[in-house]
Amino acid sequence: GAVVSQHPSWVICKSGTSVKIECRSLDFQATTMFWYRQFPKQSLMLMATSNEGSKATYEQGVEKDKFLINHASLTLSTLTVTSAHPEDSSFYICSATAQGVGGELFFGEGSRLTVL
Amino acid sequence: GIQVEQSPPDLILQEGANSTLRCNFSDSVNNLQWFHQNPWGQLINLFYIPSGTKQNGRLSATTVATERYSLLYISSSQTTDSGVYFCAVVSIGGNTPLVFGKGTRLSVIA
Repeated sequence: GAVVSQHPSWVICKSGTSVKIECRSLDFQATTMFWYRQFPKQSLMLMATSNEGSKATYEQGVEKDKFLINHASLTLSTLTVTSAHPEDSSFYICSATAQGVGGELFFGEGSRLTVL
Repeated sequence: GIQVEQSPPDLILQEGANSTLRCNFSDSVNNLQWFHQNPWGQLINLFYIPSGTKQNGRLSATTVATERYSLLYISSSQTTDSGVYFCAVVSIGGNTPLVFGKGTRLSVIA
C-alpha cells in the first residue's frame, strides 16, 4: 500500500507557541489530504480537507485561524496549531489519497501534541 | 450526514478464538475501509471493501452494500490483534471524506 509519513511523532510545547506538523505522501501524489483529530478513547474526527494549491475546507466548529493548513505540493501538507493552549493537546493524524473523495485513504503515523 | 455504527464496542477474547465485528451505515457508500489502530495510535489499513468479500490471512471482510453493513472476521486471534478496529465510509454522491465509526476495542488475552 501507499506510504504516508507524518512528523513529528511527539511534540511538547509551551502554551502560546505555535507548532507545525508535516504530512508527506512518499510514493504517490496526493490530490487530497485530510487532517483528523482524536481524543483519548474516542474516534477520529475530521478537521479539514485540503487540495493541492487551494484553500482548505474546514469542518464546522474547527477554527481555521487556529489550525492553519497548507497543501503546497502534491506530496506535502502541513498543519500549524497557532497559539496553542492545553485544550489543543490531542492526537493529530493526516491521511492522503491519490484518487480524490471515495478513493482508498492511507494514514500517517500520527502526531501527539501536548501543550503545557 | 451518514451515520456509522460499530458493534460490539468492546470485546475480550481468549487467544485462538474467532470473532466477528460489525459495521452498519445509514446511506449508500462508495468507499468502506477497515482499520486497526495499534497501541501507538497508528492506523493500519486492513481492507478497502465498498462491496464484496476479501481475505488477507486470518482476516476477512464482507460488505453487503444493499443492506448497508460490513463484517470483519478475525480467526485464530493472537495477542497482537489487540487494539481498536475502526470502520469508515464515504457516502455515494456526497463530497464528504471518510466518516469513522466509534470503533470496537478488542483485547486478546493469552
